[in-house]
Amino acid sequence: DQQVKQNSPSLSVQEGRISILNCDYTNSMFDYFLWYKKYPAEGPTFLISISSIKDKNEDGRFTVFLNKSAKHLSLHIVPSQPGDSAVYFCAMGGANNLFFGTGTRLTVIP
Amino acid sequence: EAGVAQSPRYKIIEKRQSVAFWCNPISGHATLYWYQQILGQGPKLLIQFQNNGVVDDSQLPKDRFSAERLKGVDSTLKIQPAKLEDSAVYLCASSSLVVLGSDTQYFGPGTRLTVL
Repeated sequence: DQQVKQNSPSLSVQEGRISILNCDYTNSMFDYFLWYKKYPAEGPTFLISISSIKDKNEDGRFTVFLNKSAKHLSLHIVPSQPGDSAVYFCAMGGANNLFFGTGTRLTVIP
Repeated sequence: EAGVAQSPRYKIIEKRQSVAFWCNPISGHATLYWYQQILGQGPKLLIQFQNNGVVDDSQLPKDRFSAERLKGVDSTLKIQPAKLEDSAVYLCASSSLVVLGSDTQYFGPGTRLTVL
């Protein structure tokens, strides 16, 4: 039972354009949401987070949006840069556990 | 500030053998996690420690997996005996707050285990 889904395994975007990564979840008890970025042979690196009391959080080129009614989380990267090419995981939790999506591989084309 | 350290980075063993992984969390982080990431999937929590006590080990296959954090700092994860389906990357993470959901977890580079 996959509680967190990233339905797009890959995404290609031109440099300078917007990248939009999406994540859907089923558990309405989740109250903390994160995005991690992962390069090959490295562990996931924290990128940005949002709590359930907010619907938007921005950090530089990265913005996370939370739509609780739709149980949908998204990450916008604008403008996209070649160095953003990596696998992006959404993660979310509540009490004692953190659930990860399966990841989306983003390729930013120079 | 040093990050989460893990060793070894890679390990290849035959099925039914034993293996152990080591993790040193970020200094001062009371909470430590072990995750299993199978190829093509997201990380799955195996066990969570708060200092040297276990908070959640509900997804740890206890017949073959064990973990300890005796002094509340370093941790070891052991598999005995290993099965083919244990092939995965084992990630260690740490965070500074007690309550999951209000703090960020920082990950180590992981140990890639291959069971032949």
